[in-house]
Amino acid sequence: GAGVSQTPSNKVTEKGKYVELRCDPISGHTALYWYRQSLGQGPEFLIYFQGTGAADDSGLPNDRFFAVRPEGSVSTLKIQRTERGDSAVYLCASSLNQGGMNEQFFGPGTRLTVL
Amino acid sequence: ILNVEQSPQSLHVQEGDSTNFTCSFPSSNFYALHWYRWETAKSPEALFVMTLNGDEKKKGRISATLNTKEGYSYLYIKGSQPEDSATYLCATGTYKYIFGTGTRLKVLA
Repeated sequence: GAGVSQTPSNKVTEKGKYVELRCDPISGHTALYWYRQSLGQGPEFLIYFQGTGAADDSGLPNDRFFAVRPEGSVSTLKIQRTERGDSAVYLCASSLNQGGMNEQFFGPGTRLTVL
Repeated sequence: ILNVEQSPQSLHVQEGDSTNFTCSFPSSNFYALHWYRWETAKSPEALFVMTLNGDEKKKGRISATLNTKEGYSYLYIKGSQPEDSATYLCATGTYKYIFGTGTRLKVLA
């Protein structure tokens, strides 16, 4: 079966531009997560959706970052006025239900480079 | 706030060697420990989920142990092969995973 997919795989943008990163979770998975891995770091939690609602957005670094999941399936991470420090690999994961023992399945990530 | 640490940061071994690395985590409020293997340009692949103190899990040549009282887990690879080259990540937490920085393994043919 299809795993988690993310598009684009690579995105190069200029400082100050707006970007959207897309995540297609595994069909039937109600929980969806976004993480960010900066150079030399482990992935860091950004936001978690249960269905259509953001159950925990405590990891979003500031109000330039926003994520939606309008129909409870595909999610889009939106970054406004990008900065060079936003350069990272953005990972999406999904799980059958909310957290805990429900294993998170990851996509291959989107590598964002802000020039 | 949990801190998850992994060592070593990187490791080069010869094909056929066995190797191991460590994941350390705070032992209080422990829930579960996850190991992932992440090859370049691919999705992180789940290896193990471990919850009980003393747990040992095995998948082919890879195995892991868990000590929740002292807050560490070991990952072992027996007879390393070039295809084992990857970054190995551990994570703990409930739905909000906290990852270590990973151990980058390179197996030389």
